Amino acid sequence: GESVGLHLPTLSVQEGDNSIINCAYSNSASDYFIWYKQESGKGPQFIIDIRSNMDKRQGQRVTVLLNKTVKHLSLQIAATQPGDSAVYFCAESSGGSYIPTFGRGTSLIVHP
Amino acid sequence: DGGITQSPKYLFRKEGQNVTLSCEQNLNHDAMYWYRQDPGQGLRLIYYSQIVNDFQKGDIAEGYSVSREKKESFPLTVTSAQKNPTAFYLCASSILAGGQSEQFFGPGTRLTVL
Repeated sequence: GESVGLHLPTLSVQEGDNSIINCAYSNSASDYFIWYKQESGKGPQFIIDIRSNMDKRQGQRVTVLLNKTVKHLSLQIAATQPGDSAVYFCAESSGGSYIPTFGRGTSLIVHP
Repeated sequence: DGGITQSPKYLFRKEGQNVTLSCEQNLNHDAMYWYRQDPGQGLRLIYYSQIVNDFQKGDIAEGYSVSREKKESFPLTVTSAQKNPTAFYLCASSILAGGQSEQFFGPGTRLTVL
């Protein structure tokens, strides 16, 4: 959901659970999507990307799902670990643009 | 060991002073970007460059300036005209050939105005 003020949406899970982080986008022309992970005090790191001609893409312990009908993107993390605790951003771009638009992020907290 | 570096990690500035943040990459990427991140916020684009000696303003360029004299380097100057410069600054780079691709980010510089 939308965050209020300085507070990011937060997802708290137990170690070993599966996590699902959601992202809604507004531009129906967006055709390239990326998920980034940002640990506290560090720069974002690439996790996985997906193009609009795909609905699903899998990586190591992560899966990205794209629903273009409702303009929704999700990141699924299997068997979440404490090291997965971070802020996760989705980013979108369209029309071959190299300039992505970033979402505000979701804070994932993994409890041991 | 390829990557993108930023320096310094922490920077303190007095009001009214200009300050320059360094960004260097040895990934042979064509494009470089500067973002600003405030607490609880996403990344906002300040400037970007797709080729040496050329750059474009992003969404919040006022009070900032950049140069791109070398492919590897894209320094950002925060001028005294920037009214609220305290923030976390992130530099990124990406390859342009082959279509859209992910950005590689540096570790960031945290600027505090005293």
